[in-house]
Order: sequence, then C-alpha cells, then structure tokens
Amino acid sequence: RKEVEQDPGPFNVPEGATVAFNCTYSNSASQSFFWYRQDCRKEPKLLMSVYSSGNEDGRFTAQLNRASQYISLLIRDSKLSDSATYLCVVNRGEGGRRALTFGSGTRLQVQP
Amino acid sequence: DAGVTQSPTHLIKTRGQQVTLRCSPKSGHDTVSWYQQALGQGPQFIFQYYEEEERQRGNFPDRFSGHQFPNYSSELNVNALLLGDSALYLCASSSSRNRQETQYFGPGTRLLVL
Repeated sequence: RKEVEQDPGPFNVPEGATVAFNCTYSNSASQSFFWYRQDCRKEPKLLMSVYSSGNEDGRFTAQLNRASQYISLLIRDSKLSDSATYLCVVNRGEGGRRALTFGSGTRLQVQP
Repeated sequence: DAGVTQSPTHLIKTRGQQVTLRCSPKSGHDTVSWYQQALGQGPQFIFQYYEEEERQRGNFPDRFSGHQFPNYSSELNVNALLLGDSALYLCASSSSRNRQETQYFGPGTRLLVL
C-alpha cells in the first residue's frame, strides 16, 4: 500500500464547476500536509498548506481529518488555468528530518 | 530574489555512465532535498543535505550519492546508470529556521538513459 494515495483521475470538468480531490495517508506520525500543483513538464509548486482547522485561499479550500488520515482539496468556480496535476503531500517530520512524501497526483482538465 | 536553480536542464547518457546534477538553493535557504520523478508518478525522495551532511535518505541504492557545499549548493551523483534511472530529477530547498520547512522546487533536470 502506498504511503499517500490519491484519486487517480483524470477529472474533466467544465469551467465554473466545483471539483474535489481526496487523499489518504498511512503514517499516523505525519505532521505537515500540503497540496502542490504541477503543470505539464514543470516543477511542483506549493498551492497551500493544510491545517487541522481547515483553511481557505480564495477559490481553494483544504481540509484535514487526522482521525481518518484524510486530506481534501476543493476548487470552486474552476478556471481553465486550474488545469494541472494536483499532488497531495505529507511531511513525516521525524525529529527535524523532513522528507516530503508525494501521492501520484490527480490530473485536472478544465474545459471551456 | 532568485529561486532554486538546477543544471543542466536536459541530459542524455548511456547505460553504465555516471552523471552529476547541480542545484543552487533559494536565497536564505540552507537545506537541499533531491527527488526523482518518473513519468506519471509523484516525486520520490532520494536524500536531504543540511550543514554539508546527508541528514536523511530515501529508498535509493548507493549508486545515488550527493554533496552539499559551504554555500549550500548541492550535487547529485548517479553511478552505473540504468535505463530505469531515466526521470526528472528535482531539487528542493528549504530553511531550517522555518518551522514548517516549506520546500520550494527547482525546474528539474530531465535525464534520459539510453
């Protein structure tokens, strides 16, 4: 079983739609959680950190459920520019040694 | 403020050869992590350097080695290249003074092994 698992995708949605991505992680010692965005043939870029209380950044809302080891990302009013692969990322943060563990990513294609 | 830079951008090698990839961290960052991303997969952690020492290592063979210099830049070396080493190699930098140690990625080096 992979340490971080995501919806395989791809998600094809029309502009303006609301889309949700889910992710589960297996290591209960995980301490930090992120969503990264990766455009085709580019490097991953931090989209947002994910906090236990849930957090919002414009059209993007991230939620974390530590008990269920579940992370979600909601995108409202999708734009064509949101088309990308979304990577769920967990940081185990063992004693200050922090290695990011990535899911395989979920591809989003927003269509006009 | 320059971000993370990597060189070269692309590289073609043959099986058995050796390769060195380079990374300069974002200004103010002192920690460098290296990742391998195969096509269609998420990045996989190779190792992390801090204070010129390997601080943590992922599940990669000893053919993968690295170095960090006093100016915090870093190199990734891969010996005895295999076809399966073909991938995008990403360098990420972070600051030990940042509690979350958010990692910022460079554009990567695309390695093709023939």
